[in-house]
Amino acid sequence: DSGVTQTPKHLITATGQRVTLRCSPRSGDLSVYWYQQSLDQGLQFLIQYYNGEERAKGNILERFSAQQFPDLHSELNLSSLELGDSALYFCASSVATVPRNEQFFGPGTRLTVL
Amino acid sequence: TQLLEQSPQFLSIQEGENLTVYCNSSSVFSSLQWYRQEPGEGPVLLVTVVTGGEVKKLKRLTFQFGDARKDSSLHITAAQPGDTGLYLCAGAGRTDSWGKLQFGAGTQVVVTP
Repeated sequence: DSGVTQTPKHLITATGQRVTLRCSPRSGDLSVYWYQQSLDQGLQFLIQYYNGEERAKGNILERFSAQQFPDLHSELNLSSLELGDSALYFCASSVATVPRNEQFFGPGTRLTVL
Repeated sequence: TQLLEQSPQFLSIQEGENLTVYCNSSSVFSSLQWYRQEPGEGPVLLVTVVTGGEVKKLKRLTFQFGDARKDSSLHITAAQPGDTGLYLCAGAGRTDSWGKLQFGAGTQVVVTP
């Protein structure tokens, strides 16, 4: 158990819909990262927040957005969903200090868009 | 963008054999992590290497960071079925002070009894 929690575990929805994925970091970790993993793309970095502020952006679509709240939990919002958005979405947390940069991953949310 | 290339992409061996997975880049990293991921689960951190030339051992797993901090290898001795999984390397750039990692595509290892 990494100490990172994600809900829900599974999500099935239809194209055009909007969903929210939730992540709670390990106790003491200020940084949260979101990743998308699909069979043909590997683990793709989406976005990073540190203590409530956005710090880095990766290959995140404009239809996707995220935020980190004062209690440090984070939410990833996916809107106007397409079939291609079906994937595993992981949240990771870390203390975000160089050079170790160790990230601890949650169990993921499996999103299926029908 | 600092690209990490892992090889091989897929490795299938018998229990008791040895294997080595490679992670290469043209960029220098301040640290490099190895993770193992099982189907449907999140990656689990195995080790972090920081110093060029560093070697770390975790039971039957040996991790090495290249002298120039551009590459790394993972060697498993006497592999067991429990070693089956997707092995991912991830590097932290020298100029990134916020902990962002660049992940390789992974090596799928299958160990059959």
